[in-house]
Amino acid sequence: DAGVIQSPRHEVTEMGQEVTLRCKPISGHNSLFWYRQTMMRGLELLIYFNNNVPIDDSGMPEDRFSAKMPNASFSTLKIQPSEPRDSAVYFCASSYTVLGQPQHFGDGTRLSIL
Amino acid sequence: TQLLEQSPQFLSIQEGENLTVYCNSSSVFSSLQWYRQEPGEGPVLLVTVVTGGEVKKLKRLTFQFGDARKDSSLHITAAQPGDTGLYLCAASGTYKYIFGTGTRLKVLA
Repeated sequence: DAGVIQSPRHEVTEMGQEVTLRCKPISGHNSLFWYRQTMMRGLELLIYFNNNVPIDDSGMPEDRFSAKMPNASFSTLKIQPSEPRDSAVYFCASSYTVLGQPQHFGDGTRLSIL
Repeated sequence: TQLLEQSPQFLSIQEGENLTVYCNSSSVFSSLQWYRQEPGEGPVLLVTVVTGGEVKKLKRLTFQFGDARKDSSLHITAAQPGDTGLYLCAASGTYKYIFGTGTRLKVLA
C-alpha cells in the first residue's frame, strides 16, 4: 500500500519566492495534518483538515502561510513570500480520524530559503 | 497549554546497554503513541497505549502508560545501533494531537 506521498523532497529557493508543497494522503484516511520540524522547535502542527475542511489553523505562523485541500486525495501548503526563517522540514501526515488515531507521515520536504 | 515533556533530550550509549526514555505531562490523555524518526524520514508509529498501567512489548522495547494516564516510558533492552533515532511521544490533547519534545538516541557500536 502506498504511504503518504510528499513532493518535492527538497526545495531550495530565494527569499521572496512562492513555495508550494504537495501531499497525497493515504487513501481512505479522512484527516490530514501539516507539520513543520526544526531542531529548535521540534515538530509543530501547522494546520489539520477533517474531510477536506480546515479544522484548526492556529499553528500557521503568519498570513504568508496558506493550506488547501481541494479533495480527499490532495493538499497543498503554500508560503508566499518565503523568508529564510521558513527553512525547515515540512511533513504531511494522515489518519482515519482527527484525534486519537496514530498518524502516518510522509518523508517530508526539506525547504531551504536563501 | 498542554505539553509533553520528554527526557532525556539527548542520549548516547554503547551497544548492549539498557535505557529508559520518559514522556511526562500534567494532562490526562485517552491514549498515547510512541514514534521513531530516522534521518531523512518521517516519524513511524511504534505503539499505542490506551489503558492506565498498560505495558506493551515490541521485541526489545517495552512501553508503559502511567496509571493516571499522564506519563509514559519507553525502555530499550540491549540497545543496538539500529535503535538510533529520534523518539517522540504523542497524545490527543483537548482539541489537537500534540507531540513531545523528543529524545535523540545514539547507540554506538
